[in-house]
Amino acid sequence: EAGVVQSPRYKIIEKKQPVAFWCNPISGHNTLYWYRQNLGQGPELLIRYENEEAVDDSQLPKDRFSAERLKGVDSTLKIQPAELGDSAVYLCASSLDPRTGEAFFGQGTRLTVV
Amino acid sequence: QQPVQSPQAVILREGEDAVINCSSSKALYSVHWYRQKHGEAPIFLMILLKGGEQKGHDKISASFNEKKQQSSLYLTASQLSYSGTYFCGTEDYGQNFVFGPGTRLSVLP
Repeated sequence: EAGVVQSPRYKIIEKKQPVAFWCNPISGHNTLYWYRQNLGQGPELLIRYENEEAVDDSQLPKDRFSAERLKGVDSTLKIQPAELGDSAVYLCASSLDPRTGEAFFGQGTRLTVV
Repeated sequence: QQPVQSPQAVILREGEDAVINCSSSKALYSVHWYRQKHGEAPIFLMILLKGGEQKGHDKISASFNEKKQQSSLYLTASQLSYSGTYFCGTEDYGQNFVFGPGTRLSVLP
């Protein structure tokens, strides 16, 4: 069974440019998460979806970040415009039942803003 | 609110034991444990749902003291493959989930 797939793996952009990350969760997993992980720190939740509904986006910087999960499957996270402080690894994860089960993480996208 | 993990880092020799602690200021519904190797995705180890619950996974086990809002991860007879950063994640009764800052474990031959 394929795991959580993310692309691209690496992205280097100049500040003020837009960037988008894509995530394909494990088939059948209704819950999808986007996390941001800075070097040496734990993952920080940005947004959580149940199917196509964003049920927790309280930590998403909405002035520059947006996300969507059309049809409740794939998801895209966008930053526009990017700032130097956005450099981090962006992780996508999915779960069958977040309250009793595990979350499966993708390999992440390492974003460098220069 | 982010849970507190201790120690921040630990170095072991193969075969030695280690304990990693995770504590929260909030009442917890569950505690999750993950391990992440450098440059890789976090991998789920276990979830503890009930106060006092203990679970095991090979030579890695964990306990959850709901009253104290704490969980501990026990690694016995550590192997080289145990090296990595261990994160606890805590969920409160409002379904708010947050990862701790991590504990870096290095197992030396």
